[in-house]
Amino acid sequence: EAGVAQSPRYKIIEKRQSVAFWCNPISGHATLYWYQQILGQGPKLLIQFQNNGVVDDSQLPKDRFSAERLKGVDSTLKIQPAKLEDSAVYLCASSRGARGTNEKLFFGSGTQLSVL
Amino acid sequence: QKEVEQNSGPLSVPEGAIASLNCTYSDRGSQSFFWYRQYSGKSPELIMFIYSNGDKEDGRFTAQLNKASQYVSLLIRDSQPSDSATYLCAVNMASNTGKLIFGQGTTLQVKP
Repeated sequence: EAGVAQSPRYKIIEKRQSVAFWCNPISGHATLYWYQQILGQGPKLLIQFQNNGVVDDSQLPKDRFSAERLKGVDSTLKIQPAKLEDSAVYLCASSRGARGTNEKLFFGSGTQLSVL
Repeated sequence: QKEVEQNSGPLSVPEGAIASLNCTYSDRGSQSFFWYRQYSGKSPELIMFIYSNGDKEDGRFTAQLNKASQYVSLLIRDSQPSDSATYLCAVNMASNTGKLIFGQGTTLQVKP
């Protein structure tokens, strides 16, 4: 079974530029998550999709971050404009069931973003 | 109070010893609890999960839940240098769409 695919693996940009990350979940997984992990901290949930609908985006900074999951499969996360404090690893994860309740998450390899 | 709290460590144990990692959570209604291992520069990997109905043992790993005190523990027996990593506790928030909240992680160092 193929894992969660993410790209790019690394990205370096200057502040105020825009950046986009892509994620392809495990086939058949209904729920997709984007987490932000700042160095030395645990992952923080940014947004959770069930199929192509948003379940939770309460911690997504909506003035600069956006995410979509077209057709309930692939997802993109965008930051525009980026700030220095956005430097982090962006992790995509997926789980099999609905709403993520009691479900096991499988993570992709992440995208390491450096904002200069 | 943070929703999920862990001591960041590092926790240092000699090879062959028992490592004990703890995590407290705020949502009394939470019913599922997960331990992820994260090696430096890698993504989290699920190693154990338990539900509110009991403890669980899997090889050298044991996960225990104390619902009254709202904490979860992970015991690693016969610790190996390869167990050196950050261990993330994650709790499913029952009151909030099943959102999985992570603690900051505890760094474990197993010294040969």
